[in-house]
Amino acid sequence: KQEVTQIPAALSVPEGENLVLNCSFTDSAIYNLQWFRQDPGKGLTSLLLIQSSQREQTSGRLNASLDKSSGRSTLYIAASQPGDSATYLCAVDFYGNNRLAFGKGNQVVVIP
Amino acid sequence: DTEVTQTPKHLVMGMTNKKSLKCEQHMGHRAMYWYKQKAKKPPELMFVYSYEKLSINESVPSRFSPECPNSSLLNLHLHALQPEDSALYLCASSQEATGLSNQPQHFGDGTRLSIL
Repeated sequence: KQEVTQIPAALSVPEGENLVLNCSFTDSAIYNLQWFRQDPGKGLTSLLLIQSSQREQTSGRLNASLDKSSGRSTLYIAASQPGDSATYLCAVDFYGNNRLAFGKGNQVVVIP
Repeated sequence: DTEVTQTPKHLVMGMTNKKSLKCEQHMGHRAMYWYKQKAKKPPELMFVYSYEKLSINESVPSRFSPECPNSSLLNLHLHALQPEDSALYLCASSQEATGLSNQPQHFGDGTRLSIL
């Protein structure tokens, strides 16, 4: 069974520090990987999608890398702000059918 | 503002009631999804519609009945639900129901459902 793992489940960082979130997956033959943000009681907001052929994607303060050979993706958030406090979910399309396998998420608190 | 709109935002119903959840998108997407999310858990896929036809049913109980009247609308009809069905129900859409297009799924804000 294909699995996606995000550790730790929760973390806190002081405002201004760079945030590093890790996602690992069990099969290197993926189609794409998405990072989402979820605020309490809200839906998911798509942050970045990395295609299988790509090694990274960037959007503003966000940068996501993909290393298929090691089964890992990392989401970097530069100069974190209290507004970055949320749960971040990693999701992998293993079969090219858009059925996403989600990790359990990283609950992030940025301390002012 | 989300591009996928879900109504109602909150719903409380008894176990004998019949209600419907609605989802609408105007991005021209041809795939639409229903997910169920329990507290502190990731979303779980329930149904996928591709070009208005049901393509995936993840062994969901028949008390949940999806409907796709047209390419912009997705409904989830609820009947005789159980207390354990209380959750956040999320709708999503994407350009195609295949990851080959490498287009992201866009989610609505969900309907918070409570079963008494």
